[in-house]
Amino acid sequence: GIQVEQSPPDLILQEGANSTLRCNFSDSVNNLQWFHQNPWGQLINLFYIPSGTKQNGRLSATTVATERYSLLYISSSQTTDSGVYFCATRVRTSYGKLTFGQGTILTVHP
Amino acid sequence: SQTIHQWPATLVQPVGSPLSLECTVEGTSNPNLYWYRQAAGRGLQLLFYSVGIGQISSEVPQNLSASRPQDRQFILSSKKLLLSDSGFYLCAWSVDGVSRGNYGYTFGSGTRLTVV
Repeated sequence: GIQVEQSPPDLILQEGANSTLRCNFSDSVNNLQWFHQNPWGQLINLFYIPSGTKQNGRLSATTVATERYSLLYISSSQTTDSGVYFCATRVRTSYGKLTFGQGTILTVHP
Repeated sequence: SQTIHQWPATLVQPVGSPLSLECTVEGTSNPNLYWYRQAAGRGLQLLFYSVGIGQISSEVPQNLSASRPQDRQFILSSKKLLLSDSGFYLCAWSVDGVSRGNYGYTFGSGTRLTVV
C-alpha cells in the first residue's frame, strides 16, 4: 500500500515563529488532506489539497503531486497551534480510504 | 450543515466484556463511514469502512466488528474485549463524487477506551 512519511516527528517553537511541516507519499494520489488534532483528541480537517496551494489565515498548504510531497506552513505560531498535525492521502483505487502519516507533534511555547 | 456524533467520550471496560460504540451523521445522505483507531497518540489505523447500509469492509483482522443498520449510523462492537483493544476510536464520514464537491473527511470527537 501507499506509504506516507511526515517530518519532523516533533517540533518545538516559540510563539510568533514560522514553521514548515512536510509530507512525502510513495504513489500517485488524488486526495491529500491535512488535519490538526488538538490536545483533547479532536481531529480537524485543515485542508483538502490534492494539488496546488491554499491559504486559510496563518496556515497555508502546497501539494506538488508530480513530486509526491505536500507542505504545511504555519506563520506567526500561537500556543493554540499546539497539537499533532497529520497528513493523509489515498490512491485512486482505494475508494474513500485514507492512509495517515505518523504525524508531527507541534509544541508552541509562550 | 453536516454533523457527526460519537459516544461515549470515555469508557472503561473489563477484559472479556462486550463493547458497543455508536456513531451517527446528520445533514448528509449515503455517506462513506469509517472507524479508525489511534494508539499512543500517533498514527491512525483504519479498522472498517462502509459505503452503504449493510456493506462493511474490514481492513485488519481483529477482535472487533462493525455494522451499519441505517444509512447514517455506524456501530463498532466486540463480544469479548481484550487488553489490546484499548485505544482512541474515531468515527469519520466522507462523500465522494464531483457532484458533491467535497472529498474531505470529518471526524467525530472520539471514544477513549481503556480495557482493564
